[in-house]
Amino acid sequence: EPEVTQTPSHQVTQMGQEVILRCVPISNHLYFYWYRQILGQKVEFLVSFYNNEISEKSEIFDDQFSVERPDGSNFTLKIRSTKLEDSAMYFCASSETRDRGGYTFGSGTRLTVV
Amino acid sequence: AQSVSQHNHHVILSEAASLELGCNYSYGGTVNLFWYVQYPGQHLQLLLKYFSGDPLVKGIKGFEAEFIKSKFSFNLRKPSVQWSDTAEYFCALGTAGNMLTFGGGTRLMVKP
Repeated sequence: EPEVTQTPSHQVTQMGQEVILRCVPISNHLYFYWYRQILGQKVEFLVSFYNNEISEKSEIFDDQFSVERPDGSNFTLKIRSTKLEDSAMYFCASSETRDRGGYTFGSGTRLTVV
Repeated sequence: AQSVSQHNHHVILSEAASLELGCNYSYGGTVNLFWYVQYPGQHLQLLLKYFSGDPLVKGIKGFEAEFIKSKFSFNLRKPSVQWSDTAEYFCALGTAGNMLTFGGGTRLMVKP
């Protein structure tokens, strides 16, 4: 069964540092997403990406965040200057179509900002 | 704005017991509804989804859910749980742009 792969599984970074979270979506999927889950809270939508541009983004996705598809396989989330409150599990997902949901999620990257 | 509520935060059952997890949503438009499961240390996996048609939806691993429009509900059921069903279960609402709004999750523990 095709998988969405995320690396690293756990990253610890110092406050103020830049981090890049990496994802390899399923190869024939065209829509890509990032979600996050702060410990004890709901899974929250960050951003969706299609055709090399952002389709939707939430209020959480401010100027500190950016996404990129640098090549044909990777999809990255960059946090420019991490804050303590960015500590969370970050999930990448991909889907074949825009509507009708039912993404495939990756296993997540646990980001800890110290 | 849309929202999803899961009222049971923790559920403990014995094996073979029946399961029903509540999910209520708030949204004025056409809804797509999902249940995801997250086993310990693993990723979110789709259990089942509702888009239209038959409001009783069957998913993987013997799970089913019923969409009741008048109650804004999409409860998850399983007639007989197993120890391997121990996981966290998330209800989610799909809206425009294919964005998912998740409920807070329900942690299910099944005692052998």
